[in-house]
Amino acid sequence: EVQLQQSGPELRRPGSSVKLSCKASGYSITDYLMHWVKHRPEHGLEWIGWIDPEDGETKYAQKFQSKATLTADTSSNTAYMQLSSLTSEDTATYFCARDVMDAWGQGASVTVSS
Amino acid sequence: DIQMTQSPSSMSASLGDRVTITCRASQDIGNYLSWFQQKPGKSPRRMIYGATNLAAGVPSRFSGSRSGSDYSLTISSLESEDMAIYYCLQSIQYPYTFGAGTKLELK
Repeated sequence: EVQLQQSGPELRRPGSSVKLSCKASGYSITDYLMHWVKHRPEHGLEWIGWIDPEDGETKYAQKFQSKATLTADTSSNTAYMQLSSLTSEDTATYFCARDVMDAWGQGASVTVSS
Repeated sequence: DIQMTQSPSSMSASLGDRVTITCRASQDIGNYLSWFQQKPGKSPRRMIYGATNLAAGVPSRFSGSRSGSDYSLTISSLESEDMAIYYCLQSIQYPYTFGAGTKLELK
């Protein structure tokens, strides 16, 4: 069974950074792209970008180009997303999703507050 | 960026009703259109891909269709478990873009 297990909720100060993880089981992450999606109830879903864990190639939505950094560790079958220079606008739930978005992580809540 | 205009933003319907949600694409997206269901506190679930293909495990009362640049998700007979927010997604051009969502509630 394909599963994506994300890291737990995070509370950060404005200006700091956070690194979220997404551990895959039931398949090898090198076989599929991994997408990241932002969800805020008042804004709906936003696509952040994807990483190809096989070679580290990434693609970002322009608005997240300087905000998010996607990486992957094939030895642990885990994808990561680092968010930098956090502001209140980054308060959201972040999801990882496999390739054609047929499998999703449970989401990781990030709260940015002073 | 391709804009996905989704309508309605919310709707209420009764059990057994036929419900249709629509997304209009600002550019040609072919059949690169998926539909997702999201319940409160849960991850999105892919319901339809390729505009008309039912995802694995999705009940047959769900269907997708296309007419030109208009894409529709139809629930043929609404059940209580279908109450959720539904989003469309275009995946032909970067950045991928979602519709704003349709909140489906029980009347």
